[in-house]
Amino acid sequence: DGGITQSPKYLFRKEGQNVTLSCEQNLNHDAMYWYRQDPGQGLRLIYYSQIVNDFQKGDIAEGYSVSREKKESFPLTVTSAQKNPTAFYLCASSPEAGTGVGYTFGSGTRLTVV
Amino acid sequence: DAKTTQPPSMDCAEGRAANLPCNHSTISGNEYVYWYRQIHSQGPQYIIHGLKNNETNEMASLIITEDRKSSTLILPHATLRDTAVYYCIVLGAQKLVFGQGTRLTINP
Repeated sequence: DGGITQSPKYLFRKEGQNVTLSCEQNLNHDAMYWYRQDPGQGLRLIYYSQIVNDFQKGDIAEGYSVSREKKESFPLTVTSAQKNPTAFYLCASSPEAGTGVGYTFGSGTRLTVV
Repeated sequence: DAKTTQPPSMDCAEGRAANLPCNHSTISGNEYVYWYRQIHSQGPQYIIHGLKNNETNEMASLIITEDRKSSTLILPHATLRDTAVYYCIVLGAQKLVFGQGTRLTINP
């Protein structure tokens, strides 16, 4: 079955360490996205990519970095510069940018920094 | 980006119709309205979208006012499994921008 796989589901890290969250899709979607969600809040866009080897900052990109070397993969690195990294992170993909239909979301990674 | 305004929470009795309002007074003529929902600790799920005509699918109906400044999502026969946060979104600059949404609770 096609879908998005995020791993791991839960992740614990010490403060000051960089951590990379994995996101893989086998839907042949061109566009991919990373969102952050804090308790009781809506989703906020971190980065998005419309095509391989290209990505744009979202609303809260500071302290995060991404790469898009392959169509299927869009890993997110949470760096030590991110002041409050503990959150629920969701990856999504869509067939193409510019439409709100067909977004598929992963099951998320819950990151806790201690 | 066009912004949307939704009530933070609503309740509905099981079996009744749930009507979720959304204001989007700054929407442009060619911008669609999308509805997604998020069940606790899962990724959002697409429900429906529309431009200016009313739309219906197997999940819900979408009623858009003639001036397009507001819309209503209708779940015709709400079940307990419809308890979720519902997001009304106007697509902004190539990607979905989620607001706070409406937390809908279906009561038995």
